[in-house]
Amino acid sequence: VQLQESGPRLVKPSETLSLTCTVSGDSISPSYWSWVRQSPGRGLEWIGYIYYNGATNYTPSLKNRVTISVDTARNQFSLRLMSLTPADTAVYFCARGARDLDHWGQGTPVTVSS
Amino acid sequence: SYVLTQPPSVSVAPGQTARIACGGNNLGTKSVHWYQQRPGQAPLLVIYYDTDRPSGIPDRFSGSKSGNTATLTISRVEAGDEADYFCQVWDSGADDLIFGGGTKLAVL
Repeated sequence: VQLQESGPRLVKPSETLSLTCTVSGDSISPSYWSWVRQSPGRGLEWIGYIYYNGATNYTPSLKNRVTISVDTARNQFSLRLMSLTPADTAVYFCARGARDLDHWGQGTPVTVSS
Repeated sequence: SYVLTQPPSVSVAPGQTARIACGGNNLGTKSVHWYQQRPGQAPLLVIYYDTDRPSGIPDRFSGSKSGNTATLTISRVEAGDEADYFCQVWDSGADDLIFGGGTKLAVL
C-alpha cells in the first residue's frame, strides 16, 4: 500500500488549503483514511478521517474549518482547510486507518505566509 | 482534552534494552498504538492494540500496559533504532485521536 500527498506548498493567510492523497496498492473501499499534521510547536495532530462511504469525523479543534472528501473512482481522498493562519504551517500526512494508522504517505510541507 | 505524557528523551547503549513510557488518565481502558519516526520520514506503526506487532517489525519491539502507563520496550537496541517514538490512543469521549508528545531515543 502506498499513499502520496499532493498540493501546494505555499498558501496565503485566510486562504483555503486543498490537498489530495492518492492511494495505490489498495482500494479506498472498505477502509478508513486519515489526515495528520506535524509541526515543531504542536507535534503530531490528527485532523480527521473519512470512511469509503463518505462518513467523516474531525478533531474538535478544527471541526469548523476542515472538510475531508473521498473519490472512490480515482482512489483518492482530499483535505480542505479554510481560513488559514501561520499556525497551520506544518507537514501534512495522509494515512490509512481511524484508530491505528498502519500506512502513511511521505508527507508534504505546507507553509502559510503572505 | 485527553493528554498522553511521554518523557522527552531516553538514552541507551547498543545491545541494551530501552523502555519508553506513555501515561494517561484511565489509559487501562484505551488501546495504545506506538509509532517510530526517523528524521525526515513518516511515522511507522510498530505496535498496535497495546501488544500486537505489524508484519515486518522485528520481535525486538514489544508493548505492554499496566494501570495508567503503557510501555514500548526495544530489546537489543541497534543504532538504527535511534528515532522519535510516539504513543497514540482513541479518546472515545471526545471522538478524537490523540498522540503523545514523543520521546527521542538516543543510542549512545
